[in-house]
Amino acid sequence: DAGITQSPRYKITETGRQVTLMCHQTWSHSYMFWYRQDLGHGLRLIYYSAAADITDKGEVPDGYVVSRSKTENFPLTLESATRSQTSVYFCASRGLAGGPYQETQYFGPGTRLLVL
Amino acid sequence: GNSVTQMEGPVTLSEEAFLTINCTYTATGYPSLFWYVQYPGEGLQLLLKATKADDKGSNKGFEATYRKETTSFHLEKGSVQVSDSAVYFCALRRTDKLIFGTGTRLQVFP
Repeated sequence: DAGITQSPRYKITETGRQVTLMCHQTWSHSYMFWYRQDLGHGLRLIYYSAAADITDKGEVPDGYVVSRSKTENFPLTLESATRSQTSVYFCASRGLAGGPYQETQYFGPGTRLLVL
Repeated sequence: GNSVTQMEGPVTLSEEAFLTINCTYTATGYPSLFWYVQYPGEGLQLLLKATKADDKGSNKGFEATYRKETTSFHLEKGSVQVSDSAVYFCALRRTDKLIFGTGTRLQVFP
């Protein structure tokens, strides 16, 4: 299906375990982003990527790792999950600056993560 | 630094009432401004945008005007419907990244 998808949609894990959240987009957008959404904080940027093999930290990167070996995929890994990482995680993508859709960021449906 | 401030919710209205959700921003230069909407259980969707001062963004009966002099981008709708119940996020874009406000929940009752 076209668009931006995330998997899994729901995940329960335990403190200390490694968890990987997947994000896939079919538009060949250059930019991809990971956010977390928490009550009272809105959306906070974790990491973003301007192109394959180029990643950069956002506002709250500690405890997370990303990679982008292919343009269409941008996985987010929690190396050792903590309870404070319980949240809803959103992936997003956007086209290149100067393109017709440069200003519009498209969001996936989200992954609800519970760390026990 | 760059930031967005939104009015706290929830905003509770009856159907057909007038809606205003306030948004002000702090930024260097002239950022692009956005309103995103999040329906229950879903991701965010772009509602409208404005890329320069005095631009008016509009979509689905919602409007917002980019006011440089007051650094504001307030969201308005003349007559809300129950289906407008959602969380609304104001955001600005500087360079590569979007900066979001904390969101305002709108609840519309019949």
